[in-house]
Amino acid sequence: GENVEQHPSTLSVQEGDSAVIKCTYSDSASNYFPWYKQELGKRPQLIIDIRSNVGEKKDQRIAVTLNKTAKHFSLHITETQPEDSAVYFCAASDSYGQNFVFGPGTRLSVLP
Amino acid sequence: NAGVTQTPKFQVLKTGQSMTLQCAQDMNHEYMSWYRQDPGMGLRLIHYSVGAGITDQGEVPNGYNVSRSTTEDFPLRLLSAAPSQTSVYFCASSYRTGLGTDTQYFGPGTRLTVL
Repeated sequence: GENVEQHPSTLSVQEGDSAVIKCTYSDSASNYFPWYKQELGKRPQLIIDIRSNVGEKKDQRIAVTLNKTAKHFSLHITETQPEDSAVYFCAASDSYGQNFVFGPGTRLSVLP
Repeated sequence: NAGVTQTPKFQVLKTGQSMTLQCAQDMNHEYMSWYRQDPGMGLRLIHYSVGAGITDQGEVPNGYNVSRSTTEDFPLRLLSAAPSQTSVYFCASSYRTGLGTDTQYFGPGTRLTVL
């Protein structure tokens, strides 16, 4: 089955700097790659997603890149702010949602 | 829209007890799923459903049953609770488009403790 690895497990950056979180997946059938942000005690919320027919997607300060050949995708956050501090999860899913697998998460701390 | 709702928010069980976690959505989503979240392990898929009357197992289905009699509801039943089932449980739902699963919306979660 699908296996998703995520690095780093923790990340601290200064406010205004960029943050990059990387994920790798194992199943070549996976074609949908969302990123979720989870604040303490709250539910995961989608921040950006990408499908396998697209190599890059951007939404304001957040971007995701996908390399299908290498089976990895990355989350890029620019101009980080303290409110970006949270746990971020990547996930991979095939077209039927039968292998919806999450990475273990990255705890991002943005230091003022 | 209320989105995805879950009840109860908190529950304490004794080993061997059974209970049902409720999940409902009012967005007419075909796809619904249950996850458990343990510290440091992310979210693991328990069961999912691609439509009323259709359910299937995820990564960690043992000890749990589901049913999907309507589009709106997707209850998760713990057959005989064990301490290893202590976790936070999230229900999620999404549309299924021609490209596959769409954005998943999560419920607020149920924090379950099994003594």
